[in-house]
Amino acid sequence: ETGVTQTPRHLVMGMTNKKSLKCEQHLGHNAMYWYKQSAKKPLELMFVYSLEERVENNSVPSRFSPECPNSSHLFLHLHTLQPEDSALYLCASSQGLASGAGELFFGEGSRLTVL
Amino acid sequence: QKEVEQNSGPLSVPEGAIASLNCTYSDRGSQSFFWYRQYSGKSPELIMSIYSNGDKEDGRFTAQLNKASQYVSLLIRDSQPSDSATYLCAARGNDYKLSFGAGTTVTVRA
Repeated sequence: ETGVTQTPRHLVMGMTNKKSLKCEQHLGHNAMYWYKQSAKKPLELMFVYSLEERVENNSVPSRFSPECPNSSHLFLHLHTLQPEDSALYLCASSQGLASGAGELFFGEGSRLTVL
Repeated sequence: QKEVEQNSGPLSVPEGAIASLNCTYSDRGSQSFFWYRQYSGKSPELIMSIYSNGDKEDGRFTAQLNKASQYVSLLIRDSQPSDSATYLCAARGNDYKLSFGAGTTVTVRA
């Protein structure tokens, strides 16, 4: 069993659709992250939650809306996306923000295509 | 803006050779450094972390850090085809945020 699981693995949506990405971690970590990975570009940090409290909203457009109901689950709600939002969305967790913050455990990612 | 720079590659090395990957960072306040490996179609996986100047060895991997030169490197000894992947360098300062490089793609030729 992988420590961080993401669903769906692949998602194709139109610009008017509403969908959600789900992430679950089984590692007992306190911090969870959403990253965006586009081809040939560095990983972009989108959101960070620590103990279900959002601590980072990195100038992300409002068409991306995160939700963290508990320390094990993280969602990314998507609506009225643009084609340039097509990318691999990676969820990650770490023990916390103070210690172990650089040691991220990633899920397998959700490959999003916006038509 | 904290930047981490890597040569994109591809870096092609013959099997059994040493692969040398380089990374520079712009933020002098960076304190912790990490190397992640990402196979094609997979997610990044942490393989090395280094916090102080000098070398750190773990199996066939050696990370090297020079804070004065703002330089981090990763050496892969006795390269194997299974080492073919993209290697991401990351740096962390006083806060929790990691700044990632775009990655270096390594191909090990059998």
